[in-house]
Amino acid sequence: SYELTQPPSVSVSPGQTASITCSGDKLGEKYACWYQQKPGQSPVLVIYQDTKRPSGIPERFSGSNSGNTATLTISGTQAMDEADYYCQAWDSSTVVFGGGTKLTVL
Amino acid sequence: QVQLVESGGGVVQPGRSLRLSCAASGFTFSSYALLWVRQAPGKGLEWVALISYDGSNKYYADSVKGRFTISRDNSRNTLFLQVNSLRADDTAVYYCARSLPSFDSWGQGTLVTVSS
Repeated sequence: SYELTQPPSVSVSPGQTASITCSGDKLGEKYACWYQQKPGQSPVLVIYQDTKRPSGIPERFSGSNSGNTATLTISGTQAMDEADYYCQAWDSSTVVFGGGTKLTVL
Repeated sequence: QVQLVESGGGVVQPGRSLRLSCAASGFTFSSYALLWVRQAPGKGLEWVALISYDGSNKYYADSVKGRFTISRDNSRNTLFLQVNSLRADDTAVYYCARSLPSFDSWGQGTLVTVSS
């Protein structure tokens, strides 16, 4: 079965750029999405189709996807961005999530 | 606005069954695929099942195949998940979500606890 691999944790200082990676076999040939989940809340879509931001998502969130790796980049990271982030892709008609990355802003 | 509201969770003994519901509003329900995603306590997101807009196609994670059944009633704008033969490792918050195919709207989740 298809797998997506994320680092368990990433730390960033406020105002700096955070990058969260998601690796999977030929992931660049699929669309990747990213979800943000804060404690006690439901996930929120922050990036879809590799690079697109839904309405209401700040411009500091961006995405890329090439080769075997998709990357979520948060520029000028703010304290409110501290959360768990999950990548997701489709493999045939099944949904695959990465294991999640805890972003700490300190 | 789009709203998804899950219900039906609770505490259930191993081997028993539950029927989860997801009531939708704010969009044309019959035009969208829908799915269930669960999250065990302290763990990540796990896809459970997906159903096409008209209910003709259904897909399941290997971990629930044969025990869970996804269905929908487009006349009532409601998504269902019948969960049978529950096990301790089915304990989780169960979310329903709309598929665009990215998952742009999620419910608040309903907690299923499997315990004797």
